[in-house]
Amino acid sequence: DTAVSQTPKYLVTQMGNDKSIKCEQNLGHDTMYWYKQDSKKFLKIMFSYNNKELIINETVPNRFSPKSPDKAHLNLHINSLELGDSAVYFCASSPRVKGRSYNEQFFGPGTRLTVL
Amino acid sequence: KNEVEQSPQNLTAQEGEFITINCSYSVGISALHWLQQHPGGGIVSLFMLSSGKKKHGRLIATINIQEKHSSLHITASHPRDSAVYICAVRAPGGGSQGNLIFGKGTKLSVKP
Repeated sequence: DTAVSQTPKYLVTQMGNDKSIKCEQNLGHDTMYWYKQDSKKFLKIMFSYNNKELIINETVPNRFSPKSPDKAHLNLHINSLELGDSAVYFCASSPRVKGRSYNEQFFGPGTRLTVL
Repeated sequence: KNEVEQSPQNLTAQEGEFITINCSYSVGISALHWLQQHPGGGIVSLFMLSSGKKKHGRLIATINIQEKHSSLHITASHPRDSAVYICAVRAPGGGSQGNLIFGKGTKLSVKP
């Protein structure tokens, strides 16, 4: 299936641990994103990345780091997890269309992270 | 005050009703998105628009750039339309200015 996929779907871990969430898109898109949806269901951008530029939302703690081994993957690493990191994390991607620098985004299914 | 305001926050409708969800924003934008988040959590992009009107099936999205306002309409609503509808805007320019800014969503319940 062509899609944006994330693993794992659910992640339960202890405070202080380091964890990763993987994201893969097989749509051939150029730009990938990570979003955080908090307990009030409010979505906020964390990172956007293409093979040229990483754009970081300044409110994101540096315990969070995106890592892109190739164009189809953008993984999210989180160090020293805190209770407040509990949320649903969504990956998304968008294509580059000639003549247009910004296009529709396609979302992954989300990863529910619970920090105990 | 949020840069993107949606109304209403919650909406209950009877099957078959015509539904309107509103989105107002306070920043200049290059594009506006309407997203649908299903009860299971998945997010689907419904529309991306920067002017005028777009239609897809029973869904219609309009935008008025001068008034900084967009509406999402659902005709002949159905219980399967029950979801949270999220408006998001993108400011012009690159870098962090180009990140999406989200509204808080409108929770729609359509009763049979």
